[in-house]
Amino acid sequence: SQELEQSPQSLIVQEGKNLTINCTSSKTLYGLYWYKQKYGEGLIFLMMLQKGGEEKSHEKITAKLDEKKQQSSLHITASQPSHAGIYLCGAERYNNNDMRFGAGTRLTVKP
Amino acid sequence: KAGVTQTPRYLIKTRGQQVTLSCSPISGHRSVSWYQQTPGQGLQFLFEYFSETQRNKGNFPGRFSGRQFSNSRSEMNVSTLELGDSALYLCASNAGNTEAFFGQGTRLTVV
Repeated sequence: SQELEQSPQSLIVQEGKNLTINCTSSKTLYGLYWYKQKYGEGLIFLMMLQKGGEEKSHEKITAKLDEKKQQSSLHITASQPSHAGIYLCGAERYNNNDMRFGAGTRLTVKP
Repeated sequence: KAGVTQTPRYLIKTRGQQVTLSCSPISGHRSVSWYQQTPGQGLQFLFEYFSETQRNKGNFPGRFSGRQFSNSRSEMNVSTLELGDSALYLCASNAGNTEAFFGQGTRLTVV
């Protein structure tokens, strides 16, 4: 099974609606990263969370880290078609610089 | 500041051939990581180089190799290509204990 489980796998929302994507780790988190990917392209860095309880926002996207639950959530407020894409959470292994990723959540925003 | 540059963007090779992919990191970044992304396995870590030394390696066969030059540019090589090696290969660079910046990827198709 994946070290990082993302849910849901895919999401279709109407423009203007809020949504949440979750990422749960089976191992202790030492840093959690959120990236967005357009199909077949590179990953765009969104946010990095390092401390339990940490919350960061960028434009209409907010991410939180619950260290005890080994879980992070990504929340998009008032979604727009530009938010469409694949959202990936990634985590570094302790003392390693390789990153493990979840399977991704494919978001479609209907105008 | 230029981003991470990967060349070529697209490549078609025949089974049994070998291929070399190139990655130029962001200026000043000394760490370069390589990832393979497929629909079935998702994004998987291949290896990481720092100052011309391989620091970490994922679970891939020895047909996958890499190197890093003194200017931090990195290449990865896949020998004896198999159909299953068809994937999007992504490289990422970072400046140390920071987020990784990804290139646009090289789409490799093995026929």
